[in-house]
Formats: sequence, C-alpha cells, structure tokens
Amino acid sequence: GEDVEQSLFLSVREGDSSVINCTYTDSSSTYLYWYKQEPGAGLQLLTYIFSNMDMKQDQRLTVLLNKKDKHLSLRIADTQTGDSAIYFCAERQGGKLIFGQGTELSVKP
Amino acid sequence: GAGVSQTPSNKVTEKGKYVELRCDPISGHTALYWYRQSLGQGPEFLIYFQGTGAADDSGLPNDRFFAVRPEGSVSTLKIQRTERGDSAVYLCASSLDADTQYFGPGTRLTVL
Repeated sequence: GEDVEQSLFLSVREGDSSVINCTYTDSSSTYLYWYKQEPGAGLQLLTYIFSNMDMKQDQRLTVLLNKKDKHLSLRIADTQTGDSAIYFCAERQGGKLIFGQGTELSVKP
Repeated sequence: GAGVSQTPSNKVTEKGKYVELRCDPISGHTALYWYRQSLGQGPEFLIYFQGTGAADDSGLPNDRFFAVRPEGSVSTLKIQRTERGDSAVYLCASSLDADTQYFGPGTRLTVL
C-alpha cells in the first residue's frame, strides 16, 4: 500500500528535544520530506533527505533515515513554543508526494 | 519573492453547484500540483502538471473533478455537481526541479 504512518501526538517541554517518527512503505522513494503546518496555514517545507543519505542536519533540525527499516525521524533541538504545529512526513513517488497523517507537536512552557 | 497564491481563500457553495479554484504558482516553476486535505488528515494527491500537460491525474477521485493549466502557469481546479464530501482544503504547490514542492495557503471549500 501507500501508507505513511506517524504517531498522532507529541508533547514536550520548552528547551527539550523533540523526536517525531515516521515509517514509509516504498523502498524506491528517492526523497523524503518534513513539512510543518501551523493552524489555518499552508504547508511549510522544513527539510528533505535524499534516499542515499543516512542523516542531514540543518540548524536545530536533524533528519535520520533508516532505509532498511523504512524509518524516518525528525529531531528538533531546543524546542520552542513557536515550534508547536503539525508535522508531516512525506515520501516522493514519481512526481507526487504521499503524506502521513501528521504529528501534532505541543510545546509547554 | 512571491510564493504560491490561491484564490479564493474560502468558498462556500451549495450541493450540486459548480466551483473553480485558482492557483498561481511561483514564477518560473514548471511543475504544479493539486492536493486535497480533509480535517485531521494529511494532504492527498490529486493531479500534477508538467508545463501545460497533466503528467499524473491518478489522484482525481472521479470525473466530476477536472484541472487545466492552458498556458503552463496558472491552473484552475474545477469541480462539477459538488457533494458534501468534497468539503476540504484544496492545496496547490509548485516546483522548479521536481525535488521540492512549495505550497500555497489553500482554498477552504465548504459544500452545504
């Protein structure tokens, strides 16, 4: 099938690290993405990783890819209240993106 | 620079009516994508264009849905005989290199 799966909720304290996990299904996916969606807003591209990489770091964001297990994670260091949002992982199949259901991240002060 | 824009931002219509949703991609982006996002779900792919032609329309749910991009820039998503189940946020994205898709703010469609 085409399911991309994520846990629905994550709650952390301000200043802690957040780790959002995702599993995907298509081993031939070339790119995997993380998008952020704030209430009432569109999708903001956060970062992406090519399938031949294991890790990508971009400021406070670290993406880890385990291709064998088809597992993708997004780590946000020093999580801030402004990071509260829904985070979607997506895999690219051909030209289209297949999205997970989204993980709602709640950051408590 | 300007991002992807979509109009209208909100559309309320009655069951059975026809609607058109417009997307203006980022200038110079050759690929344009339509997705639909229902409440509490991730976006679902509908169709994508490379230039003027539909490269993949496998996500269109039925023949009431149609999209055009006649000059390779602006695209219109058309929905005939709307049903209550069509209520969702319709998202448009554009891409220059097919590796990264940039999304617009969406059009919220409500069918009464």
